[in-house]
Amino acid sequence: GENVEQHPSTLSVQEGDSAVIKCTYSDSASNYFPWYKQELGKRPQLIIDIRSNVGEKKDQRIAVTLNKTAKHFSLHITETQPEDSAVYFCAASIGNNDMRFGAGTRLTVKP
Amino acid sequence: DTAVSQTPKYLVTQMGNDKSIKCEQNLGHDTMYWYKQDSKKFLKIMFSYNNKELIINETVPNRFSPKSPDKAHLNLHINSLELGDSAVYFCASSTGTGGYEQYFGPGTRLTVT
Repeated sequence: GENVEQHPSTLSVQEGDSAVIKCTYSDSASNYFPWYKQELGKRPQLIIDIRSNVGEKKDQRIAVTLNKTAKHFSLHITETQPEDSAVYFCAASIGNNDMRFGAGTRLTVKP
Repeated sequence: DTAVSQTPKYLVTQMGNDKSIKCEQNLGHDTMYWYKQDSKKFLKIMFSYNNKELIINETVPNRFSPKSPDKAHLNLHINSLELGDSAVYFCASSTGTGGYEQYFGPGTRLTVT
């Protein structure tokens, strides 16, 4: 089955800096790659996703890039703010199969 | 008008007891899930139901039994609770299996003493 690895497990940045979280997946048939943000004590919520026919997608300060050849995808957050502090999860799914999540990255943005 | 709701939000119980967690979604989705999130925040899928049929049953002890009376509900019953069952359990739903956004419930924090 699909295996998703996520790095780093923790990331600390200064407010205004950029943050990058990277994930790799094992099954080349994976075709959907969402990112979820989970604030402390709350539920995971989708922040951005990308499909295998697209290499990059942006939404304001966040962007996701996908390299199908290398089987990795990354989340980029620019101009980080304290409210970006949360745990971020990447995930990958294949067709009609369910998603597998990475282990999560705890991002801390220091004011 | 909560999209995915779970009850109870907190559940404290003793080892050996049997407990249930209920989940309901009003999004009209066909697929529902149960996830377990341990203290290290790892999200592990337990079960997936599509149109009331079990699709995924990960390596979960058979003390855990999901039941889907209809497409909008997916309940989780746990028998003979153990200390290691302590975790946050999330219900989620999506339009279909695979490449669709999953909407998570607020979670149920289960503590087994």
